[in-house]
Parts: sequence; structure tokens; C-alpha cells
Amino acid sequence: AQKITQTQPGMFVQEKEAVTLDCTYDTSDQSYGLFWYKQPSSGEMIFLIYQGSYDEQNATEGRYSLNFQKARKSANLVISASQLGDSAMYFCAMSLAPYNQGGKLIFGQGTELSVKP
Amino acid sequence: DGGITQSPKYLFRKEGQNVTLSCEQNLNHDAMYWYRQDPGQGLRLIYYSQIVNDFQKGDIAEGYSVSREKKESFPLTVTSAQKNPTAFYLCASSIEAGIAYEQYFGPGTRLTVT
Repeated sequence: AQKITQTQPGMFVQEKEAVTLDCTYDTSDQSYGLFWYKQPSSGEMIFLIYQGSYDEQNATEGRYSLNFQKARKSANLVISASQLGDSAMYFCAMSLAPYNQGGKLIFGQGTELSVKP
Repeated sequence: DGGITQSPKYLFRKEGQNVTLSCEQNLNHDAMYWYRQDPGQGLRLIYYSQIVNDFQKGDIAEGYSVSREKKESFPLTVTSAQKNPTAFYLCASSIEAGIAYEQYFGPGTRLTVT
């Protein structure tokens, strides 16, 4: 079964420290994409970072990096130098290759991150 | 400004009534998607459209219908057949339907059915 698992319902981090949000995925496909989205309390989903299954380098976008370990099927998000504005829900998602899947995203349950001043 | 608009932000309906949620994008994207989010949960795909005049069922399509008559618009109708319609509905679009294209999301519509 194709599935995304986020095992941390809630996380706390001190402002300016780094934090890792865990994500594991399950698929037998060789070609897939992994995404992280941020959802503030307003509800809108904000794209953070993308990693393709064939990418050898870990993706980075500013303070966000994706720790991709293909053999372990994990795609953890690392946020460096946390800011108060990082407090939100974070979702890991996977997109699949088959044409009839249309690039649909399968989401995990999310992790609620709270940044303490 | 390019983006996705959804209206209204909050919607209240009586049980047994159909209701249509609007989604418009001016990003010139081919693919559009509808997701449902329940409290404390991730998003689940309802319907998606890879191109105008074409759409496919997602994982939870029962009780919903869509149309894609224009590239910019992908309205979702929640019918009376949907057993538990109260939820947060998010529309998204991407340049194309494929694994490498991020999806851009609208602000969402919170539907409450009583």
C-alpha cells in the first residue's frame, strides 16, 4: 500500500534552534516525488521543498532541507534556525508516477510544530 | 497577482442540499485538484483534472461531482449523497499532472452542514 507516515503528532523547539520532522513512506514504485508543505492556522497549504526519487543530492531551500534516505524510505524535513513564524502544521506528501494517477499527492497525518521564544 | 481563489471562505448548508464550491486559477496551469481535510488529518484527494474537459476520481469521490469546462475553473459540487460533508476543502493546481510539479493551493473553503 502506498502510504506516508508521520509519527510525531506534535513537536516543540526553541527559537533559533534546528528541528527535524520525521516522514517515512511506502511505495513499490521506483519513480516518485516527495514534498513538504506548511499549513498555518489560516489553512492555506504552502509548498516548502521537493525531492525526486532519482535525485542523489538532498534538496535544500533556504532554511529548509530534506534528509532523503532512499533505502530507509525516509524523507525528514530539517528546519534550521527556527523562527516564531514557523509554528504551524507540517505535512509530508508523496506523488506517484503512473499516468492515470495524475501526479496526485498522498499526505501524511501531519506534525504540529510549536516554536518557543 | 497570480494565484488560486476559492469562494466562499465559510459556507453553511442544511442537510439534503447540494452546494457548489468555487475554484479559479490564473496561473495558466493545466492540472487542478480537489482535496478534503478533516480535523487533525492530512488531505485526501476527491477529484483531479489533468486537462480541460477531462477529470478523474480520486480516493474519496463518492458524493461529489466536478466539471472542467474552462482551464481556469474547477468547481466542486457536494451532493446530498455525501454522508459526512462537513470539512475543509482545498483546491490546488500544478503546471502539469506529474510527480515533479508542486501543487499550489487556494485558501480553502470551510463547509458546515447541519
